[in-house]
Amino acid sequence: KNEVEQSPQNLTAQEGEFITINCSYSVGISALHWLQQHPGGGIVSLFMLSSGKKKHGRLIATINIQEKHSSLHITASHPRDSAVYICAVGPNTGNQFYFGTGTSLTVIP
Amino acid sequence: SAVISQKPSRDICQRGTSLTIQCQVDSQVTMMFWYRQQPGQSLTLIATANQGSEATYESGFVIDKFPISRPNLTFSTLTVSNMSPEDSSIYLCSVEGLWSGELFFGEGSRLTVL
Repeated sequence: KNEVEQSPQNLTAQEGEFITINCSYSVGISALHWLQQHPGGGIVSLFMLSSGKKKHGRLIATINIQEKHSSLHITASHPRDSAVYICAVGPNTGNQFYFGTGTSLTVIP
Repeated sequence: SAVISQKPSRDICQRGTSLTIQCQVDSQVTMMFWYRQQPGQSLTLIATANQGSEATYESGFVIDKFPISRPNLTFSTLTVSNMSPEDSSIYLCSVEGLWSGELFFGEGSRLTVL
């Protein structure tokens, strides 16, 4: 069983649509991270959450600690949002991070 | 924040050869993490590189295959030795922000072994 499960695995949307990517985890965590991976392979950090909700521009991330669940929302999606979105958790013991397998998002003009 | 410069960004190698990947961080960090991402898979931790001590390898990864150097607090290398096609992956280095806990990654090294 994976410590971090993401859904959906693949997502295609029309430009302008509202997008939701979900992440569930099974370990106790100190923080949850949403990452964006571009086709070249580089990864950038979008959010780090330990509670509640954060917003950067058109991106919103929420986390429910009791339910061990997080969502990443993209409002007014754009083709440049096309990437793989990865959920990762930092456990509250040890150094290792656990990563989901990613959600591949394609936004069509 | 931390900026990580990783190279090479990609390479095509012959079976049996070795390749060294370098990561340079613009600030001092205690631990650097090396990951492998096989096609369609999530990131798998290879080892944690600590300055001044041996790297700590995860189950399934050994020093003879993936030797790591960490000569100072801003630099590390990972060597993929005696490569086979199964080693074709993206390799990434990563650090955790000292105060923020945010994750920072290098640009990734996409390795193809023929």
